[in-house]
Amino acid sequence: EAEVAQSPRYKITEKSQAVAFWCDPISGHATLYWYRQILGQGPELLVQFQDESVVDDSQLPKDRFSAERLKGVDSTLKIQPAELGDSAMYLCASSWDRDYEQYFGPGTRLTVT
Amino acid sequence: KNEVEQSPQNLTAQEGEFITINCSYSVGISALHWLQQHPGGGIVSLFMLSSGKKKHGRLIATINIQEKHSSLHITASHPRDSAVYICAVRAQGAQKLVFGQGTRLTINP
Repeated sequence: EAEVAQSPRYKITEKSQAVAFWCDPISGHATLYWYRQILGQGPELLVQFQDESVVDDSQLPKDRFSAERLKGVDSTLKIQPAELGDSAMYLCASSWDRDYEQYFGPGTRLTVT
Repeated sequence: KNEVEQSPQNLTAQEGEFITINCSYSVGISALHWLQQHPGGGIVSLFMLSSGKKKHGRLIATINIQEKHSSLHITASHPRDSAVYICAVRAQGAQKLVFGQGTRLTINP
């Protein structure tokens, strides 16, 4: 069964360092989502792509976060510089199109020290 | 007040019990999702509803659009059902999902 792949699964970094996460969606899925989930809370959308275009990045802290999906397939989320408050689970999801069921990857757990 | 409220926040039950988790929302929606998250973080989509009722194995999800309320039921609960169950809605005309805070379910043997 096709799955959303994410790497790394775990990342520990010091504050002020740069960190990057990678997501490979299910083949053929046009819509890709990056979520941040703080412990004990539900996921919060950071950015949504439709193919290679950003359709919603209203909650993305653009001074330090960036996301790209250059060829409309896999995607990278970057944080530079990382802050202590960025410690969270970063989840990637994809769907066939924007109103369809979303499939989630295993997530990347980030700890900033 | 959050757009999506779940209750209870935590639920502990014995194996075999019938489980109900509730979700209330405050906006008109085009779809409601129930998701399951196990320790370690992975999220699995259980149901996507826009009306009525859906059943998959021991899981049943219902939605009442007029009352802006949905329930997730688990029959004959089992310890492997222990997880966080999350309700998420897509508001009419919106593209993104808004998530509830989740219900942590623990089923004891």
